[in-house]
Amino acid sequence: GQQLNQSPQSMFIQEGEDVSMNCTSSSIFNTWLWYKQDPGEGPVLLIALYKAGELTSNGRLTAQFGITRKDSFLNISASIPSDVGIYFCAGLRSGGSNYKLTFGKGTLLTVNP
Amino acid sequence: DGGITQSPKYLFRKEGQNVTLSCEQNLNHDAMYWYRQDPGQGLRLIYYSQIVNDFQKGDIAEGYSVSREKKESFPLTVTSAQKNPTAFYLCASRRQGCSNEKLFFGSGTQLSVL
Repeated sequence: GQQLNQSPQSMFIQEGEDVSMNCTSSSIFNTWLWYKQDPGEGPVLLIALYKAGELTSNGRLTAQFGITRKDSFLNISASIPSDVGIYFCAGLRSGGSNYKLTFGKGTLLTVNP
Repeated sequence: DGGITQSPKYLFRKEGQNVTLSCEQNLNHDAMYWYRQDPGQGLRLIYYSQIVNDFQKGDIAEGYSVSREKKESFPLTVTSAQKNPTAFYLCASRRQGCSNEKLFFGSGTQLSVL
């Protein structure tokens, strides 16, 4: 089946630093979604990307849909302690009735105050 | 407030017992999904339903069952046939026929085996 390779698995950074993480796949996706999950809670949607090359921001977060359609990147600028959590990427291969997301395994972010 | 409500937050299952996890949404979404999350793993699809009275198996449906009698509700039963049920279960929903295909999640149910 389809697989997403998300890296890094974990990151330990100081408050104020910038963060980058990415997802790559051997398959082409039509949509990329980035989620954040706090411990014991459900994932919350951060950014959705729909076109190759698209660059979208949400506050201090910026995500890009790779031009090959096989990868996506998430950047967090000027990290703060509440950025702590697990960040997941998810790719959707096709729309219509066949809606099945493939998820990465997540990047655990720790921010030291 | 509109959203997806999962209950209970914590659930304990005895060996040989069936347990049912509730998922209700008031977003008027057509499609609903159940995922299983294990520590350090991505989400794996158990079952999904795109319309009332219809549902399909996901990637790890064995040992689980679902029903979709109402648009708002998509309960998941973890049967005694599921030998390793301890996990965090997430319900999700989305509006079909929309070009912005975003999936929204509930807050999850942690199931543990006694």
